[in-house]
Amino acid sequence: NAGVTQTPKFQVLKTGQSMTLQCAQDMNHNSMYWYRQDPGMGLRLIYYSASEGTTDKGEVPNGYNVSRLNKREFSLRLESAAPSQTSVYFCASSEVGLNSPLHFGNGTRLTVT
Amino acid sequence: AQSVSQHNHHVILSEAASLELGCNYSYGGTVNLFWYVQYPGQHLQLLLKYFSGDPLVKGIKGFEAEFIKSKFSFNLRKPSVQWSDTAEYFCAVRVSNFGNEKLTFGTGTRLTIIP
Repeated sequence: NAGVTQTPKFQVLKTGQSMTLQCAQDMNHNSMYWYRQDPGMGLRLIYYSASEGTTDKGEVPNGYNVSRLNKREFSLRLESAAPSQTSVYFCASSEVGLNSPLHFGNGTRLTVT
Repeated sequence: AQSVSQHNHHVILSEAASLELGCNYSYGGTVNLFWYVQYPGQHLQLLLKYFSGDPLVKGIKGFEAEFIKSKFSFNLRKPSVQWSDTAEYFCAVRVSNFGNEKLTFGTGTRLTIIP
């Protein structure tokens, strides 16, 4: 089982460049998430999608856009990258329900110079 | 909005020592609580979860956690740690907020086990 697949694994951007992080899950989950992980700050939610066609802002949405392309795929776009967006990005998915755990992808390490 | 506090930022233990990592949350309603582990260079994996019933929950690899509602706490424990437990541990809380069931994480505790 692939679970949650993220691409790319690593990326270096220059300030002002744009890019899209891809995420796909094969578990037929309704909910999908994008988090960023920074030292000493844990994981912070960027955007969330409860189901196909819906998206909601998380704690730190500024500078990002998302697209829930279909049930499987949830992409994160940086329109104009900034050094403050240097981070490790994790995509996750889950069943609907408060007791449903999140399943995480392997992460994308992004550096913005 | 809910929040999660993990007061221990870095814990260093010798092998076979007992472990307790603190987790406190702030939310007055029904909560679901999780502990995740992140081994070096890997993604987060679920250790255990609590959503109802017995407040003492057991997870994988000998870990357990106790939900104490009166203290808003969900501390993680292990009687005897191993070198392979070296990792970062995250506590998380999930509440229902007008249908938006977001998972909020604490800042994490880095655990280093000395052989």
